[in-house]
Amino acid sequence: QQQVKQSPQSLIVQKGGISIINCAYENTAFDYFPWYQQFPGKGPALLIAIRPDVSEKKEGRFTISFNKSAKQFSLHIMDSQPGDSATYFCAASIDYKLSFGAGTTVTVRA
Amino acid sequence: ETGVTQTPRHLVMGMTNKKSLKCEQHLGHNAMYWYKQSAKKPLELMFVYNFKEQTENNSVPSRFSPECPNSSHLFLHLHTLQPEDSALYLCASSQGGAGDLNTQYFGPGTRLTVL
Repeated sequence: QQQVKQSPQSLIVQKGGISIINCAYENTAFDYFPWYQQFPGKGPALLIAIRPDVSEKKEGRFTISFNKSAKQFSLHIMDSQPGDSATYFCAASIDYKLSFGAGTTVTVRA
Repeated sequence: ETGVTQTPRHLVMGMTNKKSLKCEQHLGHNAMYWYKQSAKKPLELMFVYNFKEQTENNSVPSRFSPECPNSSHLFLHLHTLQPEDSALYLCASSQGGAGDLNTQYFGPGTRLTVL
């Protein structure tokens, strides 16, 4: 049973546009929500993360929005660039384990 | 070397072979993980070691055998694999614990092909 559900599976955005990826979870014991970025042939790399007591976190062009009551969180990529083309995974942490979403492949067209 | 390294990066093996994957972390972390990544599937956690002790085995077939001799090294021994075991095998490490102490850092992976 997948504990974190991620959508969409893929998206295409024009350069300069906004990419939005959504995740939902059920287990209210999760205490940390990281996002990972993975390029072909590479391992996932931490992109940005948020704690459940924070509603929004921004780092450069990447923003996480967190809705604790709805048990949902999302990643917004502003001013998308071709270099952002990658697969993005949301995750939720409890103890020392992560549950990952299925991933979203983002393609940014120049 | 920094971060998490994995060797080999690519491996092709027959179903009767025995091979091992190696992972080394240079971050001073206490927890290490093996994941399997197949196309169109979420990352699958296989094994977790915390302070060298195996704390998780997610119903992984016995043809995969992990070994953690110390907090910096993790091996995955492979024998009599099946073609469906072909995937990217990722190693990760974390400081271990709650919240952001569980930020996991991944190696580049080993691309395994079973013929």
